[in-house]
Amino acid sequence: GAVVSQHPSRVICKSGTSVKIECRSLDFQATTMFWYRQFPKQSLMLMATSNEGSKATYEQGVEKDKFLINHASLTLSTLTVTSAHPEDSSFYICSARAWTGQNTEAFFGQGTRLTVV
Amino acid sequence: LAKTTQPISMDSYEGQEVNITCSHNNIATNDYITWYQQFPSQGPRFIIQGYKTKVTNEVASLFIPADRKSSTLSLPRVSLSDTAVYYCLVGDQAGGFKTIFGAGTRLFVKA
Repeated sequence: GAVVSQHPSRVICKSGTSVKIECRSLDFQATTMFWYRQFPKQSLMLMATSNEGSKATYEQGVEKDKFLINHASLTLSTLTVTSAHPEDSSFYICSARAWTGQNTEAFFGQGTRLTVV
Repeated sequence: LAKTTQPISMDSYEGQEVNITCSHNNIATNDYITWYQQFPSQGPRFIIQGYKTKVTNEVASLFIPADRKSSTLSLPRVSLSDTAVYYCLVGDQAGGFKTIFGAGTRLFVKA
């Protein structure tokens, strides 16, 4: 199946700094990617939809100036957490949809564990 | 997007068949039903997808009644490694549609 890769898998940063997370579709092109955040023992919460060549669409309550999304190519979307604070510590996951020959599936990256200290 | 309702948690023993039912009363004509599995600190993984009746693959079966207002994921002979959270999602096949997750069902398989 299609592969979505995230990097890094874990990152620790100091409060006030910015962190960039990359999401790549390795063997298919994705004009749209999705970014999620997941807190412990909770479900995935959709943060934004990343659109190649245009602005991202953010879900209600998600600060677009805080979570910068860039989708500069058909295989790469990046999420930058700006001026990170401890409350931004979470598990961030990206996904992209791909046609498998039978149906359209959402493929997910392995996730990035962000810890802000 | 159709809202889904699942049991919060389920317990089972190794070797048993586990059935997890999901309610989606507002499912639309174009919507498919998809189930994902998630282990701790990993991204969700596709299990199975269906539109109506029954779908079976190498890991699970999906039963969908005629009214499509619910679906049941069936895991045959579970093992300890099947302990995970299972999510039922409903949506159309369009490439741009958002995958919105419900609360999921936390399955715990005991020895």
